[in-house]
Amino acid sequence: GENVEQHPSTLSVQEGDSAVIKCTYSDSASNYFPWYKQELGKGPQLIIDIRSNVGEKKDQRIAVTLNKTAKHFSLHITETQPEDSAVYFCAAILAGTGGFKTIFGAGTRLFVKA
Amino acid sequence: DAGITQSPRHKVTETGTPVTLRCHQTENHRYMYWYRQDPGHGLRLIHYSYGVKDTDKGEVSDGYSVSRSKTEDFLLTLESATSSQTSVYFCASKLAGDSYEQYFGPGTRLTVT
Repeated sequence: GENVEQHPSTLSVQEGDSAVIKCTYSDSASNYFPWYKQELGKGPQLIIDIRSNVGEKKDQRIAVTLNKTAKHFSLHITETQPEDSAVYFCAAILAGTGGFKTIFGAGTRLFVKA
Repeated sequence: DAGITQSPRHKVTETGTPVTLRCHQTENHRYMYWYRQDPGHGLRLIHYSYGVKDTDKGEVSDGYSVSRSKTEDFLLTLESATSSQTSVYFCASKLAGDSYEQYFGPGTRLTVT
């Protein structure tokens, strides 16, 4: 089955710097790669996603890149702010019997220091 | 918010007792999911449902069962709770069709003593 690895597990940056989180996946049949942000005490929330027919997608300070050949994708946050501090999860979608399973990475805890 | 609630939000129970967690959504979403979240493991899929009475296993389904008798409710049951099932449990739901976005509930913290 699909396996998603995420690095680093913890990332600390200074406010205004950029942050990059990287993920690799194992199943070449996966075709959708979302990123979720989880704030303390809450459930994860989708912040950006990318489909396999696209190499890059941007939404203001957030961008995601995908390399299908190498089977890895990355989240880039520019001009980080304290409110970006959270746990970020990458994921890959795997089609299964009757529905779709989302396989998550282990998460990256991002600290943005003011 | 997508209108997903979970109950209870916190529960402490003893080893060997049955436990049922409830997920309720008001969005008429076809798909519903149960995950557990543990340090170092992220979110792992326990079971999911692709319609009323239609369910399938996820990565870590042993010791868990689910039921979905109506669109809005998805129940997770631990038949005989063990300490290894101490975790935070999240329910999620998803529209049918081309959208893959999942909407998560606020989570249930379960402690098995």
